[in-house]
Amino acid sequence: NSKVIQTPRYLVKGQGQKAKMRCIPEKGHPVVFWYQQNKNNEFKFLINFQNQEVLQQIDMTEKRFSAECPSNSPCSLEIQSSEAGDSALYLCASSLSQANTEVFFGKGTRLTVV
Amino acid sequence: QQKVQQSPESLIVPEGGMASLNCTSSDRNVDYFWWYRQHSGKSPKMLMSIFSNGEKEEGRFTVHLNKASLHTSLHIRDSQPSDSALYLCAASRQGGRALIFGTGTTVSVSP
Repeated sequence: NSKVIQTPRYLVKGQGQKAKMRCIPEKGHPVVFWYQQNKNNEFKFLINFQNQEVLQQIDMTEKRFSAECPSNSPCSLEIQSSEAGDSALYLCASSLSQANTEVFFGKGTRLTVV
Repeated sequence: QQKVQQSPESLIVPEGGMASLNCTSSDRNVDYFWWYRQHSGKSPKMLMSIFSNGEKEEGRFTVHLNKASLHTSLHIRDSQPSDSALYLCAASRQGGRALIFGTGTTVSVSP
């Protein structure tokens, strides 16, 4: 069973609405990743954190998403104004270090933008 | 531009047969390859990783890596219906910040 906990499992939003999802990484894992998996199984890296600090993010995330990993609280990813193309499975993953170590995925939040 | 290419897109294998999946990176800086398996409706889980030239075997699964061509392959022998899943190849590198995934190979094992 996955030790990375994501909520909610399913999210339905109208276009233009905010969509927020949360992730509790595996205990002891300081690095958290967010990926978007679309209906064609394409994985798009969105952003990652080490503890509370953003390590890397793509342009789209910088412009339209808001993400944070506060200490002692779940990490979150929020789309400020949802678009139809944002409908996808959002996967959170955590690992012990930034590179070349196994990442462990949560079950994902499936977002549908209607 | 997709930096990790997988082939074939889909594969049908008879139960007990051998499934062979391929993956190539176009990023010459990668030094680690990962194979993840994602059952329908579930999260991806790591199967195997490899960073040295050659072969690595774990049970029914064997991974090959050719670092010169940045090509890795996954072979599943004695395929079982429970092996039906999406198989994702990912690459990473020192100094890199995240795994880069391919779009996967969907394997269907027919009883």
